[in-house]
Amino acid sequence: AQKITQTQPGMFVQEKEAVTLDCTYDTSDPSYGLFWYKQPSSGEMIFLIYQGSYDQQNATEGRYSLNFQKARKSANLVISASQLGDSAMYFCAMREGTGNTPLVFGKGTRLSVIA
Amino acid sequence: DAGVIQSPRHEVTEMGQEVTLRCKPISGHNSLFWYRQTMMRGLELLIYFNNNVPIDDSGMPEDRFSAKMPNASFSTLKIQPSEPRDSAVYFCASNQDRGNGYTFGSGTRLTVV
Repeated sequence: AQKITQTQPGMFVQEKEAVTLDCTYDTSDPSYGLFWYKQPSSGEMIFLIYQGSYDQQNATEGRYSLNFQKARKSANLVISASQLGDSAMYFCAMREGTGNTPLVFGKGTRLSVIA
Repeated sequence: DAGVIQSPRHEVTEMGQEVTLRCKPISGHNSLFWYRQTMMRGLELLIYFNNNVPIDDSGMPEDRFSAKMPNASFSTLKIQPSEPRDSAVYFCASNQDRGNGYTFGSGTRLTVV
């Protein structure tokens, strides 16, 4: 079974609008972390935002926020005020446990921002 | 900090040749991860090390792949012999103990012809 599911292969958004990228996860571990990475066409993996399973508040980092719904096992990324430079692949990832275990990635969503 | 450093950035090699990919993790990070990215399979974990010790190599495709971490500042991923289906982008990432700052290198784009 897939641990991370991203159901949107591609998304379009108008510049300056907000967009939500979906991510659901599957784990039986009570302690886990959820991550979002951006991969522009240049190929590097850029960390965007982190949410711990015990965090009470939704994580925010500038224009990025994570809509964490624990009961639904979803961790959607919200990008506000989209910019042309936001066009990229976006990956949701999970780490199970508290130790230094690997990230497991979803298949990604390609976001295109339209002027 | 210079970040995670991978070399080479691009590698083109002929089928059957040996390929060695290199990674220098961030100083102070004690975990190192090797991933492979392809269109078909996405980002897959190949192997990871904690404190220079291999913990899980179940993602290594076959015996042609091997990885070492002789010290805290250097790791290699070797493919011998290489095959066209090994063509992919190989990422190295590092993280500190119990940290959430998994940092990726720029990747090595490998093409086997």
